[in-house]
This record gives sequence, structure tokens and C-alpha cells, in this order.
Amino acid sequence: EVKLLESGGGLVQPGGSLRLSCSVSGFTFADFYMSWIRQPPGKAPEWLGMIRNTANLYSTDYNPSVKGRFTISRDNTQDILYLQMDTLRTEDTAIYYCARGLWVLFDHWGQGVMVTVSS
Amino acid sequence: DVQMTQSLSYLAASPGESVSISCEASKSISNFLAWYQQKPGEPYKLLIQSGSTLQSGTPSRFSGSGSGTDFTLTIRSLEPEDFGLYYCQQYYEKPLTFGSGTKLEIK
Repeated sequence: EVKLLESGGGLVQPGGSLRLSCSVSGFTFADFYMSWIRQPPGKAPEWLGMIRNTANLYSTDYNPSVKGRFTISRDNTQDILYLQMDTLRTEDTAIYYCARGLWVLFDHWGQGVMVTVSS
Repeated sequence: DVQMTQSLSYLAASPGESVSISCEASKSISNFLAWYQQKPGEPYKLLIQSGSTLQSGTPSRFSGSGSGTDFTLTIRSLEPEDFGLYYCQQYYEKPLTFGSGTKLEIK
């Protein structure tokens, strides 16, 4: 069974940093693209970026809205996906999801983790 | 960015009825359109890709249609478990973008 579990969320002050993790199981992690998606309360989901698989040398793409502040990485030895978030703003408050990619579709999602940016 | 518009934010229908949920893209996206279902306490579920191709496990009462800019998700003979939020997503170009969602409530 495919499982994705996000962790690392919480309350952070504006300007601060936070690193989210997504632990996966039930599939060969290194073979798949992975993405981060967020959803502010009551708003549409927003794709943040992706990291490709081994065959594509773990290259990354980012939404311009977060490029330069957010960094996606992966540890294929521990089957963990990461999202490093720097210079956080109040508008980054959202539920953050990791998702397994079927290229640029998302066939499995985690339950999400809440990130609140507030002073 | 390609803007995805789901003009209906809320829809209520009774079991057994059929409903249609629309999604409009701000430019032609061919058939690079997916539909997702989100239910409280559950992960997002990919229902349909390529505008009309059902994912494995998606009940046959679900169907998708459209190409270019206008797309429709139709659910025939609604079941109580079909309540939830439905989102469209374009994958024609990056950044990948989602619609704002349509909440389907079962009467």
C-alpha cells in the first residue's frame, strides 16, 4: 500500500524557516517524481514544485511564486522527501501536501501538515 | 500562468441524480486536464486524467469530457460517498495549476 506522511509543520514567525519531511512507503521511491502542493484555508491548491526521479537526475522545477525561497530535495536511502522553506511570509500559511507524481499528475497524496506563519 | 475556473463553488444533489461540474481554462490546454476528489480526513484522490481517462479504481459512474478550454466532470447516479470537493488541474504547462474547487453536497 502506498503511503505518504508529512511532518514538520507548525507555527513559525515571519522571516523564519521550516523544513517539512514526507516519509513514504509502499513503492520504489527513487523511481518516481515527487511534488509539494499547498492549500491555504478555503483556497485552491497551489503546486510548489517537483523533484524528478533517478533517471532524470533528481532535477527540480519550481513555481515562480516560491522559487528562490523554497527548496525540494530527497533522500532515496531513507525514502524521504523534503521541503525547505526560507524567508517565510504570512501568506505561506497553508496545509502542505506531498504527492507522488505520475509525471505532472499526482496519483497519491499525503494527509497534509499545517504550517502557520504568524507573529 | 493558466488560470483554471470552476464557476460553481457549491452543488447539492440527491442520491441517484446526475451532476456535472465544469472547469474552464484561460487558454487551450488540449486534453491535459485531471480531476481530483477530496473528502474530509482523506487524501486527495486522482479520478481522471487526460480529460476523460478514468484512473484504476474510479467508479464507472464518473466520466470526464472536454478539450481545449472547457471540461466537464459528470457523475451519474450519485452515491452518498460521492460527497466532497472536486478540483480540476491542468498539466499542459508549468506552473501546474488547479481550479478553486466545487463542493458537492448530498441532499
